[in-house]
Amino acid sequence: GQQLNQSPQSMFIQEGEDVSMNCTSSSIFNTWLWYKQDPGEGPVLLIALYKAGELTSNGRLTAQFGITRKDSFLNISASIPSDVGIYFCAGLLTQGGSEKLVFGKGTKLTVNP
Amino acid sequence: DGGITQSPKYLFRKEGQNVTLSCEQNLNHDAMYWYRQDPGQGLRLIYYSQIVNDFQKGDIAEGYSVSREKKESFPLTVTSAQKNPTAFYLCASSRYHTDTQYFGPGTRLTVL
Repeated sequence: GQQLNQSPQSMFIQEGEDVSMNCTSSSIFNTWLWYKQDPGEGPVLLIALYKAGELTSNGRLTAQFGITRKDSFLNISASIPSDVGIYFCAGLLTQGGSEKLVFGKGTKLTVNP
Repeated sequence: DGGITQSPKYLFRKEGQNVTLSCEQNLNHDAMYWYRQDPGQGLRLIYYSQIVNDFQKGDIAEGYSVSREKKESFPLTVTSAQKNPTAFYLCASSRYHTDTQYFGPGTRLTVL
């Protein structure tokens, strides 16, 4: 089936460092979404991207919709301890006349104070 | 206060019992979804509903059932046929099927 390859699986960084994670696929996506999930909670939407090449920021977060429509990245600048959590990408895929949201397996971020 | 609520937060059941998880939204969204999350895994779609009185199977529907009698509510029943029901269950909704999905806080089901 369709697969989103999200990397890295986990990251351990020092407070203040910048972070970058990405999702790639062999399929073309119409929308890219980035979510953050805290332990035991539901994912919270961070950024939504709707057009190839689109670059969108939300505070210290920046995400881009790849020009080929097969990838997306999320950057976090000047990380702080509350950035800890699991970050998921999700892509909206059209297949067989229907659309479905496909999720990556997540990037677990640990920030050391 | 608009949002998606799931109850209960934690649920324990004995093996062989059916259990129903609640999901309610007051966002006036047409579409609702149920996902299952296992440790180290992405979210897997169980069932979704694009509109009231309609629902479709997702990727892992076996052992689950749903209903959509009201726009605001999309309960999920985990039946005794589900071989490995212990997991974190997430409900989501969107204005329409292909729109951005927003998630509830989740229910952690443990079958003993």
